[in-house]
Amino acid sequence: NAGVTQTPKFQVLKTGQSMTLQCAQDMNHEYMSWYRQDPGMGLRLIHYSVGAGITDQGEVPNGYNVSRSTTEDFPLRLLSAAPSQTSVYFCASSTGGLSYNEQFFGPGTRLTVL
Amino acid sequence: KNEVEQSPQNLTAQEGEFITINCSYSVGISALHWLQQHPGGGIVSLFMLSSGKKKHGRLIATINIQEKHSSLHITASHPRDSAVYICAAPANTGNQFYFGTGTSLTVIP
Repeated sequence: NAGVTQTPKFQVLKTGQSMTLQCAQDMNHEYMSWYRQDPGMGLRLIHYSVGAGITDQGEVPNGYNVSRSTTEDFPLRLLSAAPSQTSVYFCASSTGGLSYNEQFFGPGTRLTVL
Repeated sequence: KNEVEQSPQNLTAQEGEFITINCSYSVGISALHWLQQHPGGGIVSLFMLSSGKKKHGRLIATINIQEKHSSLHITASHPRDSAVYICAAPANTGNQFYFGTGTSLTVIP
């Protein structure tokens, strides 16, 4: 199993550009999440999904869009990049709810918005 | 007030020392997670525990649900243990975490 994969590993964008961060898992996990990590702020939840076709907002959803058309994939779209979105982005997945299931993290995408 | 508090924020130890990282939480939970983030950035799940104690190699995690407190211990610490350790408490919905701010551990040879 590849586990949770993310592409790209690094990305530089100009303000106003749009892009999609890709996340895929091959463990047949229902739950998938996107986090951002900023210095001094810790991990913050952007969006999550409890299954194909179902998504919901987390703590910091503004400026991001998600969809979940398949169990395997959970892309994160930046609609119009802003310097405040410079961060490291992690995708994660788990079998079910976090109360009883281990969460598996992808390697992260380091995004810089100029 | 943060739902999850960790201490200490930073910790430097000599190789071989016994290390303890503490986590207190204010929310009702079914299980608490301990995560490790290496300097390269990757995050791995170390433990998920709902009661008592779990051991994995030199790492031991304990939890007291009544006192809402958990500890992560590292015995015979080694430089490769240098990382950020994060405790995380699931929200009641089970769909998201309350994260601690992390403890940055440096083990010196």
